[in-house]
Amino acid sequence: EAGVTQFPSHSVIEKGQTVTLRCDPISGHDNLYWYRRVMGKEIKFLLHFVKESKQDESGMPNNRFLAERTGGTYSTLKVQPAELEDSGVYFCASSQVGLAGGFTEADTQYFGPGTRLTVL
Amino acid sequence: RKEVEQDPGPFNVPEGATVAFNCTYSNSASQSFFWYRQDCRKEPKLLMSVYSSGNEDGRFTAQLNRASQYISLLIRDSKLSDSATYLCVGAYSGAGSYQLTFGKGTKLSVIP
Repeated sequence: EAGVTQFPSHSVIEKGQTVTLRCDPISGHDNLYWYRRVMGKEIKFLLHFVKESKQDESGMPNNRFLAERTGGTYSTLKVQPAELEDSGVYFCASSQVGLAGGFTEADTQYFGPGTRLTVL
Repeated sequence: RKEVEQDPGPFNVPEGATVAFNCTYSNSASQSFFWYRQDCRKEPKLLMSVYSSGNEDGRFTAQLNRASQYISLLIRDSKLSDSATYLCVGAYSGAGSYQLTFGKGTKLSVIP
């Protein structure tokens, strides 16, 4: 079974440009998460989709970030315009379920390889 | 204060050694805990979930102490392939979402 895939693996852009990251979750996983790791910091949660709906976007840093998941399959994360502090590794994860009420194995989040974004 | 704090490392140990990682968390609402392993420039991969009663998987033992808000991971008989960064992770639910909170990670190098 294919894992979570992300595209591109690396992106180098200049400040002010736009970049779109893509994530394809594991087939059948309704829950899709975006996380980010900036240099020297821990991985931090950005947002969570359940199918095509944004369930929790409390971690989105500002309105330059726009995430979509049309059709409830793959997701995109667009940064417009990019700033220097947006550099980092963007991870996507997916899980079968993601509901409150006690963790089960179906809640396990599987991560993609990440997109390394460098803003110059 | 960071929500999840770990030993900064790095830990450099010889093959065959036993090594222990510690982690504390500040969010008492965290419901579940995990140890993830991350190889250099790779994605985090779940190593094991952590249960209050403690759980063991081969050479790996994880324990959780909710009263002290403390999590540990013990690796026995270290192998070269254990070299990686170990991430202590808490999960809490809010708005119907399981949000993972990561520590910065502890780097382990197992030396021949």
